[in-house]
Amino acid sequence: KAGVTQTPRYLIKTRGQQVTLSCSPISGHRSVSWYQQTPGQGLQFLFEYFSETQRNKGNFPGRFSGRQFSNSRSEMNVSTLELGDSALYLCASSSKWWTAGGETQYFGPGTRLLVL
Amino acid sequence: AQKVTQAQTEISVVEKEDVTLDCVYETRDTTYYLFWYKQPPSGELVFLIRRNSFDEQNEISGRYSWNFQKSTSSFNFTITASQVVDSAVYFCALSETTNYGQNFVFGPGTRLSVLP
Repeated sequence: KAGVTQTPRYLIKTRGQQVTLSCSPISGHRSVSWYQQTPGQGLQFLFEYFSETQRNKGNFPGRFSGRQFSNSRSEMNVSTLELGDSALYLCASSSKWWTAGGETQYFGPGTRLLVL
Repeated sequence: AQKVTQAQTEISVVEKEDVTLDCVYETRDTTYYLFWYKQPPSGELVFLIRRNSFDEQNEISGRYSWNFQKSTSSFNFTITASQVVDSAVYFCALSETTNYGQNFVFGPGTRLSVLP
């Protein structure tokens, strides 16, 4: 079974631009969660999607948005990039809505975004 | 706001030693979840355990064990007979109920180095 894939793996953008990151969950998994990791703020939860609906959300401004498609693939978008958005963005998949059950999460390798 | 404290920033042990990673949390929720994650040098996050606030039973999985004590708001993680492959950063996390569902608050992590 293929694992969680994230594309692209590395990305360089400039301030003010927008970026879209993609996450393909493990086949059959319907929950996708996104996380941001920076040296300063550490690991932070962005949001979780299950069956195309956002179920949970962290404390991020509206510039951070996401969506999930009918095949469970998810995209995360950041508009008007700031230097502080430079981070490793991780996504994870699980078969059940993460807070509704005790299923294991599986993480992708992450997308490293650098904002100049 | 919820808070997760991992007071040990870095720990070094020699292989085969036992090591305990501390996690203390603050929450106003009556129902919540606690988690442990591992991030090896490769960077890919690995989910280890999820525990809900109603289940205070200790958990053992191979060389790993977790001690959840609601009375002291702690959820400590012990590795028995540590191995070099256990070298990683370990994160404790706590769920938080918000107006947008659940948020997940991470501790700053404990870097464990297991020396041969």
